[in-house]
Amino acid sequence: ETGVTQSPTHLIKTRGQQVTLRCSSQSGHNTVSWYQQALGQGPQFIFQYYREEENGRGNFPPRFSGLQFPNYSSELNVNALELDDSALYLCASSGLGSYNEQFFGPGTRLTVL
Amino acid sequence: AQSVTQLGSHVSVSEGALVLLRCNYSSSVPPYLFWYVQYPNQGLQLLLKYTTGATLVKGINGFEAEFKKSETSFHLTKPSAHMSDAAEYFCAVSGNQAGTALIFGKGTTLSVSS
Repeated sequence: ETGVTQSPTHLIKTRGQQVTLRCSSQSGHNTVSWYQQALGQGPQFIFQYYREEENGRGNFPPRFSGLQFPNYSSELNVNALELDDSALYLCASSGLGSYNEQFFGPGTRLTVL
Repeated sequence: AQSVTQLGSHVSVSEGALVLLRCNYSSSVPPYLFWYVQYPNQGLQLLLKYTTGATLVKGINGFEAEFKKSETSFHLTKPSAHMSDAAEYFCAVSGNQAGTALIFGKGTTLSVSS
């Protein structure tokens, strides 16, 4: 069984640029959630996708957007990058009947200069 | 609304000593509760979860936690710390349905000395 994978591992961007992060969910999981973890903080919920539709959103501005594909993989897009967007971005997948047990990928470390 | 408070941002214990990491939650619905561990430069690994039923739950690596509704607590314990337990620990709460967001605490760093 393949776990959750994310790419790239690390990324450096400058203010104002756009970035796309990718996530492959665990086999059999149809729900993907994205979290932002700033240095020294707990993860914060960005949004969730279920069957290619956004299924909940945290307190993040519209320049954070996402997609889910028919194979349940997902993308997180961030436009007009700001310095405060520097963080570890975590993707988690879960399946039906899993009591909301979410399996996390290793994350993408984004640095905005 | 839901929230999690982890008391103590840093806990230090000696190898072989009891580990106690505190977590209090707030939830307007019956919660699901989770403990995750994060090693440096890695993602989160689930240690254990409470959903329904028995309030004392056992997880991986010898950890356990007890759900106490009256105290709105879900403290994590391990009878005997090992050097490999040194990591960041996060408590999280969600609603009692699949597909709801996890709300995390700020984390507790556990240090283990020999």
